[in-house]
Amino acid sequence: NAGVTQTPKFRVLKTGQSMTLLCAQDMNHEYMYWYRQDPGMGLRLIHYSVGEGTTAKGEVPDGYNVSRLKKQNFLLGLESAAPSQTSVYFCASSYSILAGDMDTQYFGPGTRLTVL
Amino acid sequence: RKEVEQDPGPFNVPEGATVAFNCTYSNSASQSFFWYRQDCRKEPKLLMSVYSSGNEDGRFTAQLNRASQYISLLIRDSKLSDSATYLCAVNLNTGGFKTIFGAGTRLFVKA
Repeated sequence: NAGVTQTPKFRVLKTGQSMTLLCAQDMNHEYMYWYRQDPGMGLRLIHYSVGEGTTAKGEVPDGYNVSRLKKQNFLLGLESAAPSQTSVYFCASSYSILAGDMDTQYFGPGTRLTVL
Repeated sequence: RKEVEQDPGPFNVPEGATVAFNCTYSNSASQSFFWYRQDCRKEPKLLMSVYSSGNEDGRFTAQLNRASQYISLLIRDSKLSDSATYLCAVNLNTGGFKTIFGAGTRLFVKA
């Protein structure tokens, strides 16, 4: 099993450009998440999904959109990139949200995004 | 006050030392608790879940104190390979899903 994969691994954008980050998981997990990690800030939840076709806002959703058209994929879009979106983006998945050990999150390797 | 707080460190300890980290949380509705390990420029990986009764996995012991709202991680006989950032995570059930991660505690184990 590949676990959770993310593409691309690195990307440099200019202000105003758009891009989509792709996350894929092969563990048949229901729940998927997108986080950003900034120095000293920890992981902050952007959006999440509790199943195919559903999405919800997390702590810092502004400037991002997501889609979950297939259970195994979760896409994060930046419509008009801003320098404040320079960060490391992690995707994660889990079996469930609140079920003891079942809500352990498995993370992808991350995407390092720089917006100039 | 942040919802989940950790001492950022860094903790610099010699090999073989015992080191302990604490993580405090502010929301009493917190339901499940975890410690993750994150190596430099890598993704977080689950180290261990934290149970109400406390749990141990080899050199690692995790404890939960609901009354004082903190979790702890104890590492005995530190190894060079333990050098990493340790993140605590707290899952809340507040009518919707919410996981809050601490900013992490950096540990350096020296030879």
